[in-house]
Amino acid sequence: DQQVKQNSPSLSVQEGRISILNCDYTNSMFDYFLWYKKYPAEGPTFLISISSIKDKNEDGRFTVFLNKSAKHLSLHIVPSQPGDSAVYFCAALKAGANNLFFGTGTRLTVIP
Amino acid sequence: DSGVTQTPKHLITATGQRVTLRCSPRSGDLSVYWYQQSLDQGLQFLIQYYNGEERAKGNILERFSAQQFPDLHSELNLSSLELGDSALYFCASRPSGLANTGELFFGEGSRLTVL
Repeated sequence: DQQVKQNSPSLSVQEGRISILNCDYTNSMFDYFLWYKKYPAEGPTFLISISSIKDKNEDGRFTVFLNKSAKHLSLHIVPSQPGDSAVYFCAALKAGANNLFFGTGTRLTVIP
Repeated sequence: DSGVTQTPKHLITATGQRVTLRCSPRSGDLSVYWYQQSLDQGLQFLIQYYNGEERAKGNILERFSAQQFPDLHSELNLSSLELGDSALYFCASRPSGLANTGELFFGEGSRLTVL
């Protein structure tokens, strides 16, 4: 039962343009939503998160939007840079729980 | 460098065998998590330890077991290996003393190949 879904396995974007990565979830009990970035041969690294009481969180070029009614979140990267090329995982955490639920990842390629 | 150390980085073994993966969390972190990433899959939560005690269990097979030692390092034991156990196994630790907001620090992973 995949509670966090990333339906786009890959995305290609031109350098300087906006990258939009999407994520859907099924469990309304999730309290925090996170994005992790993973480069080849490295472990995932935390990128940005958002609490369920907010609808937007911004950190530099990265913004995460949360639409609770649609059970959907998205990560916007503006402007996209070649160094952003990586696999991006969406993850969610239930209040009071210990473990994260991860999506299957979206491979972003930023073309110079 | 996340500060989480995993060994070995790569491991090739045969079906039916047993392996042990090792993880050292960041200095001061009491929680250790184990995740499995199979081909084209997201990270699947296996198990979590906090200061030596099991705290949460996910989709961990009975053939798999884990423990956390007094020095806080953790080991994941995989036995009676099957081809489908081939995967990347990640260890992660969580900063102590903070509310759990899901921010974990991951090691580089151990890639297990079962032939």
